[in-house]
Amino acid sequence: RKEVEQDPGPFNVPEGATVAFNCTYSNSASQSFFWYRQDCRKEPKLLMSVYSSGNEDGRFTAQLNRASQYISLLIRDSKLSDSATYLCVVNPRTGNQFYFGTGTSLTVIP
Amino acid sequence: NAGVTQTPKFQVLKTGQSMTLQCAQDMNHEYMSWYRQDPGMGLRLIHYSVGAGITDQGEVPNGYNVSRSTTEDFPLRLLSAAPSQTSVYFCASSPPGAEKLFFGSGTQLSVL
Repeated sequence: RKEVEQDPGPFNVPEGATVAFNCTYSNSASQSFFWYRQDCRKEPKLLMSVYSSGNEDGRFTAQLNRASQYISLLIRDSKLSDSATYLCVVNPRTGNQFYFGTGTSLTVIP
Repeated sequence: NAGVTQTPKFQVLKTGQSMTLQCAQDMNHEYMSWYRQDPGMGLRLIHYSVGAGITDQGEVPNGYNVSRSTTEDFPLRLLSAAPSQTSVYFCASSPPGAEKLFFGSGTQLSVL
């Protein structure tokens, strides 16, 4: 079983739409959770960390459900510039390894 | 700030050739790692290091060697390149507490 699983999409949404991505993780002892953004042929960049209480950064909201072992990312009022691949990342803290999901592709259409 | 510097950006090898991908960071991070990214596979961990003199294997270590003689440098060696190693390689580092990964800009490697 993969450590982290994501729906690869693609998600094609119109500008202004709200879109949500989910990600599940297999290690119930995992401690740290993140969403990274990756533009085509570029390195991944941290979008936001995910905290137990949920957290928001502008149009982006991340939530963690430990009981069901999933993480979500909600993007409100989608912009063209949001088009990218969104990677779910989990750190189980059992060897300093970070595990990546395969990424979810988002295209925001004018 | 330079951050994480990877070289080269592009490389073409013939099967059986060896080469070293360079990675250096100037943030005094203890943790460094190498990933490969293939279509539909996401980023997979090759090797990682939690400090100078310490390395360990990740998910896909076969065909690769690493060393960590200094805190700053973490080179990745391909001993005998194979077409299956055609991929995009990313080096990453992280400060203590492993709260965030900083990535280099990547190396696109093709093995013919």
